[in-house]
Amino acid sequence: EAGVVQSPRYKIIEKKQPVAFWCNPISGHNTLYWYLQNLGQGPELLIRYENEEAVDDSQLPKDRFSAERLKGVDSTLKIQPAELGDSAVYLCASSLTSGEQYFGPGTRLTVT
Amino acid sequence: GESVGLHLPTLSVQEGDNSIINCAYSNSASDYFIWYKQESGKGPQFIIDIRSNMDKRQGQRVTVLLNKTVKHLSLQIAATQPGDSAVYFCAESGQRNTGKLIFGQGTTLQVKP
Repeated sequence: EAGVVQSPRYKIIEKKQPVAFWCNPISGHNTLYWYLQNLGQGPELLIRYENEEAVDDSQLPKDRFSAERLKGVDSTLKIQPAELGDSAVYLCASSLTSGEQYFGPGTRLTVT
Repeated sequence: GESVGLHLPTLSVQEGDNSIINCAYSNSASDYFIWYKQESGKGPQFIIDIRSNMDKRQGQRVTVLLNKTVKHLSLQIAATQPGDSAVYFCAESGQRNTGKLIFGQGTTLQVKP
């Protein structure tokens, strides 16, 4: 069974540019999470979806970050405009409701 | 606020020895705890979990101990192997079905051959 797929794996952009990350969860998983992981730190939840609905986006900086999960499957996380401090790894995870979270490999973003 | 932390940023052990990785948490209402392993360039991988109504849980070569009195969690790895080299995170959740995990900072386990 395929795991959580994320793309791109690496992205380098200049500050003030937009960037988007894509996530394809494990088939059948209704819950999808986006996490931010800074170097040497544990992941921090940005947003959680139950099917198409964002049920917890309290940690998402809404002035520049946005996310969507159309049709309740794939999800996209966008940053516009990117800032130097956004350099980090962006992890996507999925689970069945109340189940174990499976993480993708992440997208490493570098903002110059 | 809630916080989850590990006692040591790096742990170096000899291959074949047992490893113990520690974690302290601050929220006494925490109900569910998980240990994750993260290898370089990969996402965190579930190792073992434990609920607050348990003190100990065993898996294959791993054991998690929970001491609610002092809010301490530990992961024991028996007969540590080179493949165990990774960063280990503990995470806690107020309730298992909320899906909201709070991760600690991580301990890097280095296994010397």
